[in-house]
Amino acid sequence: LAKTTQPISMDSYEGQEVNITCSHNNIATNDYITWYQQFPSQGPRFIIQGYKTKVTNEVASLFIPADRKSSTLSLPRVSLSDTAVYYCLVGGSNNDMRFGAGTRLTVKP
Amino acid sequence: GAVVSQHPSRVICKSGTSVKIECRSLDFQATTMFWYRQFPKQSLMLMATSNEGSKATYEQGVEKDKFLINHASLTLSTLTVTSAHPEDSSFYICSARLTGTDRRYGYTFGSGTRLTVV
Repeated sequence: LAKTTQPISMDSYEGQEVNITCSHNNIATNDYITWYQQFPSQGPRFIIQGYKTKVTNEVASLFIPADRKSSTLSLPRVSLSDTAVYYCLVGGSNNDMRFGAGTRLTVKP
Repeated sequence: GAVVSQHPSRVICKSGTSVKIECRSLDFQATTMFWYRQFPKQSLMLMATSNEGSKATYEQGVEKDKFLINHASLTLSTLTVTSAHPEDSSFYICSARLTGTDRRYGYTFGSGTRLTVV
């Protein structure tokens, strides 16, 4: 069971790049790292997933160092609509889908 | 693709009554579904893992007789909150895993159900 640790909250301003780091020291060999975004009164939404090195899609980048004990979600040029809670999940074949506390990102004008 | 539909989105019920929440995978088959409860300003708490054709696995502290889960088909899981009390008021969310896929991109969430017990 790979437990995750994230900052409880972060503040940013529109147009800035935001990096949220997640620690997962006991990640297993077959575990993937997945990030979700959640707005109030909505279900979590998939943002990005990776196993190692760097993954980039149209909304974010995910950086994973060689030891895979942490990962960093990078949101380029955030806007007010990026204000949400971001969750990092680590899991493999054991169907482990337990959420950590998440990071509450507030983007200010 | 991979859409999970959750219904109803909001429900208000009286204390002592039961409420059923449905979670449907619209365009894929889901062998495994997950049910979560989320209180205001808190993270999602896993309540149970629902497996098609077998009994659900409940997390410690979750009463299986109060939160009845049925996963009778590969596209539908239901959560019934029995004899609801005001403290059961919460946001309930389901999630489904795509059958036959590996862990990558294999989970999708419903939009949640806001339950208010009065």
